[in-house]
Amino acid sequence: KAGVTQTPRYLIKTRGQQVTLSCSPISGHRSVSWYQQTPGQGLQFLFEYFSETQRNKGNFPGRFSGRQFSNSRSEMNVSTLELGDSALYLCASSLGSGTINEQFFGPGTRLTVL
Amino acid sequence: QKEVEQDPGPLSVPEGAIVSLNCTYSNSAFQYFMWYRQYSRKGPELLMYTYSSGNKEDGRFTAQVDKSSKYISLFIRDSQPSDSATYLCAIGGYQKVTFGTGTKLQVIP
Repeated sequence: KAGVTQTPRYLIKTRGQQVTLSCSPISGHRSVSWYQQTPGQGLQFLFEYFSETQRNKGNFPGRFSGRQFSNSRSEMNVSTLELGDSALYLCASSLGSGTINEQFFGPGTRLTVL
Repeated sequence: QKEVEQDPGPLSVPEGAIVSLNCTYSNSAFQYFMWYRQYSRKGPELLMYTYSSGNKEDGRFTAQVDKSSKYISLFIRDSQPSDSATYLCAIGGYQKVTFGTGTKLQVIP
């Protein structure tokens, strides 16, 4: 069974630009969560989608948004990039409701904002 | 106070040593306890998952949970250089998981 895939793996952007990251969950998984990982803050929860609906949201500004498609694939978008948005963005999938604790992570997208 | 506290290390041990990694948490509503391993430039990989107090063993790995003290541990026996990674604890409630910041472990051959 294929694991969680994320594209692109690396991105370099400049301040003020926007970016879209993509995640394909494990086949059959309906829940997709996004996390930001930085050396100082660790893994910070961004949001979770289940059946195309945002079910949970972390404490991030509105510049961070996401969506989920009917095939469970998910995208996250960051608008008006800031230097502090440089991080590893991780996507994790799980079977569905109540199984967020058994998440499987993708390799991440490393975003560098210059 | 953070919901989950984890010593960032780094922790350096000789090959064959027993490693102890620990986390404390503040919210007694948390019901699920996980340990993830993350190699450099990779995503976290689920290592252990338990929801009850006590010990759970899987090969060289033992996860220990003490709900009364809000304390969880991961023990690695006979540590190997391939165990060198960052270990993240994660504590979960219904539809919410909070991660520790991770402990970087290096096992010296």
